[in-house]
Amino acid sequence: ETGVTQSPTHLIKTRGQQVTLRCSSQSGHNTVSWYQQALGQGPQFIFQYYREEENGRGNFPPRFSGLQFPNYSSELNVNALELDDSALYLCASSLYQGPDTQYFGPGTRLTVL
Amino acid sequence: KQEVTQIPAALSVPEGENLVLNCSFTDSAIYNLQWFRQDPGKGLTSLLLIQSSQREQTSGRLNASLDKSSGRSTLYIAASQPGDSATYLCAVSKTSMKTSYDKVIFGPGTSLSVIP
Repeated sequence: ETGVTQSPTHLIKTRGQQVTLRCSSQSGHNTVSWYQQALGQGPQFIFQYYREEENGRGNFPPRFSGLQFPNYSSELNVNALELDDSALYLCASSLYQGPDTQYFGPGTRLTVL
Repeated sequence: KQEVTQIPAALSVPEGENLVLNCSFTDSAIYNLQWFRQDPGKGLTSLLLIQSSQREQTSGRLNASLDKSSGRSTLYIAASQPGDSATYLCAVSKTSMKTSYDKVIFGPGTSLSVIP
């Protein structure tokens, strides 16, 4: 177990709705990254937060947004859900000043109908 | 544009066999390469990380090699066990992940089944 938790485990939404996914980082880790993993594919980087600010972003539209809190927990928000947003969403925590090792949570499976 | 492929997509072997998983990447200008394991319903677990200046890394029954010039990495699993059944993904990074996570490119993974 990595100590990174995510909630909820599964979620079903309809097209056009909004969703919030949550992540609790491993103790002491100050950096969190979010990934989208479609079925049968590798994860794609969405964005990274460090010290409560976005520190890097992948090729995702602005309707994907995030927050990082002082306790280093984090949220991923997706507005105007589309069918293609159905995927496993993974968060990963790391120590910015540490090695290039990320600790992944178990993911949230989002289904958009 | 960096592309990462993994062959085979799926592999089934009897327990005790040694096996090799392959990862290929199109741009040899990488900073490091990682191998991950993903169990069903769980996140990724980092297995081995190879810096671009290294040729291989070993951890227990796992050995990963890197040949930047040919754009290839292999993950060797010795004496496979049913507990090794999982999806194995490789990921290449163009820069340090601390500065540019968007440059981390994952392969699609190889699904491994080890039959008792």
